[in-house]
Amino acid sequence: NAGVTQTPKFRVLKTGQSMTLLCAQDMNHEYMYWYRQDPGMGLRLIHYSVGEGTTAKGEVPDGYNVSRLKKQNFLLGLESAAPSQTSVYFCASRGTPTGANVLTFGAGSRLTVL
Amino acid sequence: AQSVTQLDSHVSVSEGTPVLLRCNYSSSYSPSLFWYVQHPNKGLQLLLKYTSAATLVKGINGFEAEFKKSETSFHLTKPSAHMSDAAEYFCVVRNQGAQKLVFGQGTRLTINP
Repeated sequence: NAGVTQTPKFRVLKTGQSMTLLCAQDMNHEYMYWYRQDPGMGLRLIHYSVGEGTTAKGEVPDGYNVSRLKKQNFLLGLESAAPSQTSVYFCASRGTPTGANVLTFGAGSRLTVL
Repeated sequence: AQSVTQLDSHVSVSEGTPVLLRCNYSSSYSPSLFWYVQHPNKGLQLLLKYTSAATLVKGINGFEAEFKKSETSFHLTKPSAHMSDAAEYFCVVRNQGAQKLVFGQGTRLTINP
């Protein structure tokens, strides 16, 4: 089924460890986004990409890095995890043919940093 | 700058009664507005969208929303709540030509039997 796939779905890290979240979409979308969701704060944009090879900062980029080496993949990296990065992370994409305005979301990745 | 305020963090209604989830927005340009729904432990799903066509927008599962420019509002309604409507709802705004979408804080809808 076409859509957005996030891996892993769950992860527990110790403070200072590093990890990468992978987002893959098979809809040929140009735009991809990483959000974090925390209780009472809605979704906050971490980084986004408007096309292969491009990345840009969102609202809360500190402590994260991203790469978009291939159009279908958008990686979110944590170089040195901190407890404040405990959250649920959502990847989303948009573009034709599903609609330039409509975001398609992955199922989320729950990260706990101890 | 664009922003979204969802006026209620939690709404509780009885099954079969109307639902109203309130959203006000701030936008410098002609906005696109959306409502997304998130069921527990799931990703977000689009309910409906407004993109400068009809001001009354119908979505899935009987929901609809009305764009009122004079009031800068985009409230979500449903005539009769169903137990399966229990979820978190997010109002989202995007300025014309902008790359980023801005989310409200979310409204948790509880349905009482």
